[in-house]
Amino acid sequence: QKEVEQDPGPLSVPEGAIVSLNCTYSNSAFQYFMWYRQYSRKGPELLMYTYSSGNKEDGRFTAQVDKSSKYISLFIRDSQPSDSATYLCAISASGNTGKLIFGQGTTLQVKP
Amino acid sequence: GAVVSQHPSWVICKSGTSVKIECRSLDFQATTMFWYRQFPKQSLMLMATSNEGSKATYEQGVEKDKFLINHASLTLSTLTVTSAHPEDSSFYICSATPGQGGNEQFFGPGTRLTVL
Repeated sequence: QKEVEQDPGPLSVPEGAIVSLNCTYSNSAFQYFMWYRQYSRKGPELLMYTYSSGNKEDGRFTAQVDKSSKYISLFIRDSQPSDSATYLCAISASGNTGKLIFGQGTTLQVKP
Repeated sequence: GAVVSQHPSWVICKSGTSVKIECRSLDFQATTMFWYRQFPKQSLMLMATSNEGSKATYEQGVEKDKFLINHASLTLSTLTVTSAHPEDSSFYICSATPGQGGNEQFFGPGTRLTVL
């Protein structure tokens, strides 16, 4: 069993749609959760970082963590064509500056 | 925000040759740098963790004699792929974390390696 599972998609939505991206993880030792965005042939950039169950909002992005279910989500409101990218969830047992384990990534396309 | 650069951005080499990839933190001192490998349509897989002035820690299944990592200064880490083979063709990405007070891992833009 992989430590973190993510549906690779691809996911295609019309502009303005709400996008839901999800990951599950297997080990409760992972206490830190991140979402990264990666454009083609570029390095990942951090979108959201959280370590507690519940929701964290930043502009159009909301990260949700349910530790009891070992389930994390990223919601994008009012999606834009510029949001088209690959979204990677990452988990860590030692914080954002330690070893990260990435999901496979979900490729998102937002059509104008 | 903090910037991490990689050089070269892409490289093509012949099978059997060695290739060196540089990772630099441009505006902060990086106590720890990480090296990842990403195959097409796959996720980033951690290869090794390097701390300045000490030997790198390799993940299980990564050959330390093939992937040589040197973290000689607080702003530079290098990954050398020795005796490269076509199966080593991949996207290599480094990341760096600042020292005390830092709470984020900053990623470089990646290096595309193609071994012919």
